[in-house]
Amino acid sequence: GAGVSQSPSNKVTEKGKDVELRCDPISGHTALYWYRQSLGQGLEFLIYFQGNSAPDKSGLPSDRFSAERTGGSVSTLTIQRTQQEDSAVYLCASSLIQRGGYTFGSGTRLTVV
Amino acid sequence: DAKTTQPNSMESNEEEPVHLPCNHSTISGTDYIHWYRQLPSQGPEYVIHGLTSNVNNRMASLAIAEDRKSSTLILHRATLRDAAVYYCILRDVLGYGGSQGNLIFGKGTKLSVKP
Repeated sequence: GAGVSQSPSNKVTEKGKDVELRCDPISGHTALYWYRQSLGQGLEFLIYFQGNSAPDKSGLPSDRFSAERTGGSVSTLTIQRTQQEDSAVYLCASSLIQRGGYTFGSGTRLTVV
Repeated sequence: DAKTTQPNSMESNEEEPVHLPCNHSTISGTDYIHWYRQLPSQGPEYVIHGLTSNVNNRMASLAIAEDRKSSTLILHRATLRDAAVYYCILRDVLGYGGSQGNLIFGKGTKLSVKP
């Protein structure tokens, strides 16, 4: 597609439920990144994919967070047993190569009630 | 990883030039200087990047000090649409370092533009 697409744009979930956030990168972009941004805060790096592999998972905040990428394209970020502190905007970005410029999606706003 | 220092906020008048400073005294020889901006309720967008020489594109200019320890993003004529948080980020061109060349965002400078 023309840009990075994320779905859903908004998600409200109850504490303790699992959620899946989806990212469709720009076609042909080999690198994909997940960030999150809590209200009024800066961007926090979560994980980076090169193809289907994740060389850098250093930013995942806990083992409740996981991510996968299939076919070198779509990526899913899964949060298990959501907590209120998981409420944030989750942003996905892709780049043609790992050292290229990033194109960000508009994000998924997750609210845990 | 090399760090950057930016003012928390700046104000500008519409149609006037804006100079956004960034200090990066610990920059290494393989670090590129990247600028991104984030408009309200949107994901960040790429603005410009450079290594040693000044750079110009349709959005902005990047002036890099001769010793590379500081840089300035220049918006030649600010518009209301330029109100955003501007992030100055060092990125290792070789993809090494603790961040593996990934973009690590700081707090940035919140630019307000007055009509």
